[in-house]
Amino acid sequence: AQSVTQPDIHITVSEGASLELRCNYSYGATPYLFWYVQSPGQGLQLLLKYFSGDTLVQGIKGFEAEFKRSQSSFNLRKPSVHWSDAAEYFCAVGRGGSQGNLIFGKGTKLSVKP
Amino acid sequence: EAGVTQFPSHSVIEKGQTVTLRCDPISGHDNLYWYRRVMGKEIKFLLHFVKESKQDESGMPNNRFLAERTGGTYSTLKVQPAELEDSGVYFCASSPVGGAQETQYFGPGTRLLVL
Repeated sequence: AQSVTQPDIHITVSEGASLELRCNYSYGATPYLFWYVQSPGQGLQLLLKYFSGDTLVQGIKGFEAEFKRSQSSFNLRKPSVHWSDAAEYFCAVGRGGSQGNLIFGKGTKLSVKP
Repeated sequence: EAGVTQFPSHSVIEKGQTVTLRCDPISGHDNLYWYRRVMGKEIKFLLHFVKESKQDESGMPNNRFLAERTGGTYSTLKVQPAELEDSGVYFCASSPVGGAQETQYFGPGTRLLVL
């Protein structure tokens, strides 16, 4: 069965520091992979997605993610974190076929120290 | 363009009562999804509409949950009777077309607390 693991429940980084959020997936075929962010009081917003092609994907707000098939990973990175990046981040895999529903990890909450 | 909206934003009810959640997708989006996040757990799929038809309801937890999408526009999710374990955040998402590669646009969620 498909699954997504985000091993870090809560991460705290200093403003200006680099960030890497981990995501591992289990999926039988080439996955469709997504990173969403939820700021307080907001809905989930898509940061980036990977379907095929270049394994390094650029997203909004300066985020990028790298797909590594050999490690079944899709880690999210940002070189310099801003206070406004404090939020909860969700990794998801798209289920195959026409259904299209997403399978999410448990999320990683990011706190940013001034 | 308006995003996905959900109503109410919060609901507190007692066990055994009925609650109806509403989702208005982005105009023109045929695909509508319901998800739920129970505290401390991952966001889980409940069901998927294509227009007014249920494409996939494999995630619905039991027959106390009833989802409808009248005329292929807005959708409602009714819980009757509500149980304590139904507490959580209910998200709605929509997309113009279906398929795993399509971006789903999420609403802010409805926070349901069953006492």
